[in-house]
Amino acid sequence: DVKVTQSSRYLVKRTGEKVFLECVQDMDHENMFWYRQDPGLGLRLIYFSYDVKMKEKGDIPEGYSVSREKKERFSLILESASTNPTSMYLCASSLVSLGYTFGSGTRLTVV
Amino acid sequence: DAKTTQPNSMESNEEEPVHLPCNHSTISGTDYIHWYRQLPSQGPEYVIHGLTSNVNNRMASLAIAEDRKSSTLILHRATLRDAAVYYCIRGAGTYKYIFGTGTRLKVLA
Repeated sequence: DVKVTQSSRYLVKRTGEKVFLECVQDMDHENMFWYRQDPGLGLRLIYFSYDVKMKEKGDIPEGYSVSREKKERFSLILESASTNPTSMYLCASSLVSLGYTFGSGTRLTVV
Repeated sequence: DAKTTQPNSMESNEEEPVHLPCNHSTISGTDYIHWYRQLPSQGPEYVIHGLTSNVNNRMASLAIAEDRKSSTLILHRATLRDAAVYYCIRGAGTYKYIFGTGTRLKVLA
C-alpha cells in the first residue's frame, strides 16, 4: 500500500520558533507538495517539487522554505512561527499527472 | 481562475443516493476532473477522476456534462462513514491541483 508519512501528527511551538516538518513517500513519485489548511479556507499550496533539488512556489510561500535532497523526502521549514489559529500542514506526492496521495497531516499550534 | 465552484454543505439520509455538484466553467480540453474527500482529522483521499466520459468505481460514480463545464459525484447509498468534505478539482497544468473549500456532506442516520 502506498504511503506518505509525515514526521509529526501534532506539534506545539512558541511564537518566533523555527518549525521543521518532514515528509517521506515510498512510491518513487516525482512530485511532492506541501499544503496548508486553515479553517474556512480549504487547502492552499505552499511549495511543490517536481524533481530532486527542484522547487516551485505555490500560492502562499511567504515565510516558508523547502528542501528536496532525495526523491523520497520533502522538507518544509517555517522560519518563524506566528500565533495564527491552529493550521494543518499536509504533504502529498504524485506520479506525473495522476492522483495525489496525502499524508495524515501535522496540526501545528503556536503559543 | 482554476478553482471550481461547489455548494458549501449538503445533507443526505443514510442509505439514500447523494449527488454532489461541481461547476468548472473555465476548464480546458485537457484538464481532468478529480474528486477527493477528507474525513475528519485526516488528509484528503482520492475518490474518482475523469476526462469526458462518465466513470464508475467501487466508491462512487462521476457524471460529466457534455460541455464539461460541470460534473456530479454520485454516492449511490450514503453511509455515516461517507460524512466528509468533498473536493472537486480540475487539473491545473500537468500536476498542480488547486483546491477550493469543498462541500461538507452530512449524513443523517
